[in-house]
Amino acid sequence: ILNVEQSPQSLHVQEGDSTNFTCSFPSSNFYALHWYRWETAKSPEALFVMTLNGDEKKKGRISATLNTKEGYSYLYIKGSQPEDSATYLCAFSSGSARQLTFGSGTQLTVLP
Amino acid sequence: DTAVSQTPKYLVTQMGNDKSIKCEQNLGHDTMYWYKQDSKKFLKIMFSYNNKELIINETVPNRFSPKSPDKAHLNLHINSLELGDSAVYFCASSPDRQANYGYTFGSGTRLTVV
Repeated sequence: ILNVEQSPQSLHVQEGDSTNFTCSFPSSNFYALHWYRWETAKSPEALFVMTLNGDEKKKGRISATLNTKEGYSYLYIKGSQPEDSATYLCAFSSGSARQLTFGSGTQLTVLP
Repeated sequence: DTAVSQTPKYLVTQMGNDKSIKCEQNLGHDTMYWYKQDSKKFLKIMFSYNNKELIINETVPNRFSPKSPDKAHLNLHINSLELGDSAVYFCASSPDRQANYGYTFGSGTRLTVV
C-alpha cells in the first residue's frame, strides 16, 4: 500500500501572505510526484510533474521542490491571492505501479 | 472544446439498478483512467486502459466493468447498484502510461444511490 500524506489538511491565509504545504510519500522505488490544483466545482488541473531528486519547478507565484531520498515535496505560494483558493493535491507514482496514488489534499482559503 | 468529458454530470438512481457513465477524450491520449473519490475525499484508482487494453484493475467489486471501444472512450458500467456506490467518479487521461505531463481530468460524475 502506497500512502501519500499531505499537511496541513486546511489552511487560511490573508491576501498577500506567502504559504507552503507538504506532501510526503514512500521514498523507495520512486518514479514521479505530481501536484494538482482543484478549484471547487471544477476538475483537478496539473501544476507540476517532478521526477528528479532536487527538482524545483515554478509557475508564476507557485513553486515546488522535491526530495526523493527522504520522500517529501513542498508547494510554495508567494503573495497569495483570493483566486489561489483551492485544494492542492499531490500524487505519487512508483517504478512498478505507474498509476497515481493521491493524497487527500490541502484546502487553501485566501481571505481578502 | 472539452478535453475530457464525462456524462452524465449527476446521476440519481435506485438500489439494484444498472447504470453507465461515459467518458470521452479528444486529446489523442493513449491512456485513460477511472478514479473514485471516497468519503474522505481521496481519489482512488479503479481502472486504467492503455490503447484499449486493460492495464490496471484495482480491487473493485466485479459489479463494476469498464469498457473501452477505442482509445478515446472509456465507459464505466455498474450493475446492481448499492448505497455504498454513491460517490463522485472521475475520468482522466494521459498521453501515455508514464503520465510525465500529468493527467487531464473530466469534471466528475456525482452518483447518488437511493
